[in-house]
Amino acid sequence: GESVGLHLPTLSVQEGDNSIINCAYSNSASDYFIWYKQESGKGPQFIIDIRSNMDKRQGQRVTVLLNKTVKHLSLQIAATQPGDSAVYFCAENIMEYGNKLVFGAGTILRVKS
Amino acid sequence: EPEVTQTPSHQVTQMGQEVILRCVPISNHLYFYWYRQILGQKVEFLVSFYNNEISEKSEIFDDQFSVERPDGSNFTLKIRSTKLEDSAMYFCASRQGAGNTIYFGEGSWLTVV
Repeated sequence: GESVGLHLPTLSVQEGDNSIINCAYSNSASDYFIWYKQESGKGPQFIIDIRSNMDKRQGQRVTVLLNKTVKHLSLQIAATQPGDSAVYFCAENIMEYGNKLVFGAGTILRVKS
Repeated sequence: EPEVTQTPSHQVTQMGQEVILRCVPISNHLYFYWYRQILGQKVEFLVSFYNNEISEKSEIFDDQFSVERPDGSNFTLKIRSTKLEDSAMYFCASRQGAGNTIYFGEGSWLTVV
């Protein structure tokens, strides 16, 4: 089937610590993955993406890891800041379904000062 | 930076009334999407649109829903006869090509009373 799920619905971290948000996907046909950040009342904001032919990609303070063997995706945020507090969604692109994105359930990240 | 724009930002409508949500995708993008998000839940796919036709739609996108690209810039979602359960945030999104990042608008919050 086509489903994307998250292991932890809420994650609380201390400011300055690193955060790791996990995501499991089930569709082996997914070829592209995106992490989005959503603040209250706003649209999903692109953070970082990764294609299925890669296993790691780094951005500014963020790293995405892809493990296709176990169908697992993670987002690492270094030196978490209060402004990182939001809901984080992983999404998988499924080419065979008209190139649509299927979103996971979301993880709430709370950063404590 | 180019962005997807949506109007209205918030609309309250009576049950049974027709609603049109409007979107202006990023100008050189070819793929267009509508998603919705019920309060506190994940982002759900409604419909994808490419080359002036629907490429895929979800079970949510029943006969009460329709999309249109009336000109070279607008992309609209019409709900013919709104129900209470249509109350949600509706996001428009677009992407340049099949393997590219999908960018979301800030959403239109629809409240059906």
